[in-house]
Amino acid sequence: KQEVTQIPAALSVPEGENLVLNCSFTDSAIYNLQWFRQDPGKGLTSLLLIQSSQREQTSGRLNASLDKSSGRSTLYIAASQPGDSATYLCAVSMTTDSWGKLQFGAGTQVVVTP
Amino acid sequence: DTAVSQTPKYLVTQMGNDKSIKCEQNLGHDTMYWYKQDSKKFLKIMFSYNNKELIINETVPNRFSPKSPDKAHLNLHINSLELGDSAVYFCASSQDGRGFYGYTFGSGTRLTVV
Repeated sequence: KQEVTQIPAALSVPEGENLVLNCSFTDSAIYNLQWFRQDPGKGLTSLLLIQSSQREQTSGRLNASLDKSSGRSTLYIAASQPGDSATYLCAVSMTTDSWGKLQFGAGTQVVVTP
Repeated sequence: DTAVSQTPKYLVTQMGNDKSIKCEQNLGHDTMYWYKQDSKKFLKIMFSYNNKELIINETVPNRFSPKSPDKAHLNLHINSLELGDSAVYFCASSQDGRGFYGYTFGSGTRLTVV
């Protein structure tokens, strides 16, 4: 059974620092991995999608890496801003599932202080 | 705007009532999902429909019944509501049944049962 863990559960950094968010999964037979952002009382916004054959994806200040063999993905956010304050969720879908479904971590709550 | 939209955004109701949540996507996606986010913020899949056909039905009480009148709509009806049903319910969609292109989420429906 796949387990997705995100450490730390919460993180507070001053503005301008780089953010490093970790996601680990126990079963490496993933189909793809997606990082989301959730703002309080709002839905999930997709940040980056990494296919199982890829090592990383980049979008602006965001970079996500994937190491399937070690069961890890890391989301880097460069030069953090107060607007980056949110909960960040990683989710995986499995090759062993006939149909797609996401298995989520519990999230990392990020606060960026001005 | 292309999106996944859910109504209502908030729903407060008494135990024992029956309620429905509606979801519509105008992305042209083939597959739609219902996810539940409990008080601990964990997101778990409930149901999935592909082209109006039920393809995923996780361990969910029979009081929950999804309905997909067409590919663009997926509704969730809940009978005899219980206190434990209080949660945020998210609708999502994916272009294909495996989620190769990732998933798009709605903004959620916060259900409170009193």
